[in-house]
Amino acid sequence: KNQVEQSPQSLIILEGKNCTLQCNYTVSPFSNLRWYKQDTGRGPVSLTIMTFSENTKSNGRYTATLDADTKQSSLHITASQLSDSASYICVVSYSSNFGNEKLTFGTGTRLTIIP
Amino acid sequence: EAQVTQNPRYLITVTGKKLTVTCSQNMNHEYMSWYRQDPGLGLRQIYYSMNVEVTDKGDVPEGYKVSRKEKRNFPLILESPSPNQTSLYFCASNGGGSYNEQFFGPGTRLTVL
Repeated sequence: KNQVEQSPQSLIILEGKNCTLQCNYTVSPFSNLRWYKQDTGRGPVSLTIMTFSENTKSNGRYTATLDADTKQSSLHITASQLSDSASYICVVSYSSNFGNEKLTFGTGTRLTIIP
Repeated sequence: EAQVTQNPRYLITVTGKKLTVTCSQNMNHEYMSWYRQDPGLGLRQIYYSMNVEVTDKGDVPEGYKVSRKEKRNFPLILESPSPNQTSLYFCASNGGGSYNEQFFGPGTRLTVL
């Protein structure tokens, strides 16, 4: 069964500190892995997308890594800001039996930045 | 501004009263989807559409209908809502290309009493 597991479920850190969120997946056949940021009451917004051949990708203070061999990904946030408070969702896409792309969503990590 | 819009944003209704949640995108995307998000669960796909007049079931289609008469619009229809359909709903459209990036709408919070 295709699954995406994220850890920790929630995290509280001080403003200015760094943090790393983890994602493990059992999705096959793998197409790409995405990290989304979801503010409370809003739709998810894409941060990074990585294909099988990419092992790191950055978007400002956000850096995602991918180890396709161990099926693990991480999202590192540098110098956190209060606006980083949100849920971060790991999403893995795969090709369905019908040739279209399907997504498997993790349940997210709830990150809270405190002043 | 490129975006996906949904209406209404909030809706409280009663069991059995038909309702429609509209979704529109201005990016000329062919692929659109509907998801629901419940506490402790990842987003789950309800229905998707690969083009006008082409729709198919996602992972949790029971109790929902969709239509795709125009490329930009993809309404979600609940013919007879039930309390277990109380949820946060998101419409999304795909940009295609090598990354096939997905753009989400702002969400519709539905409560069925």
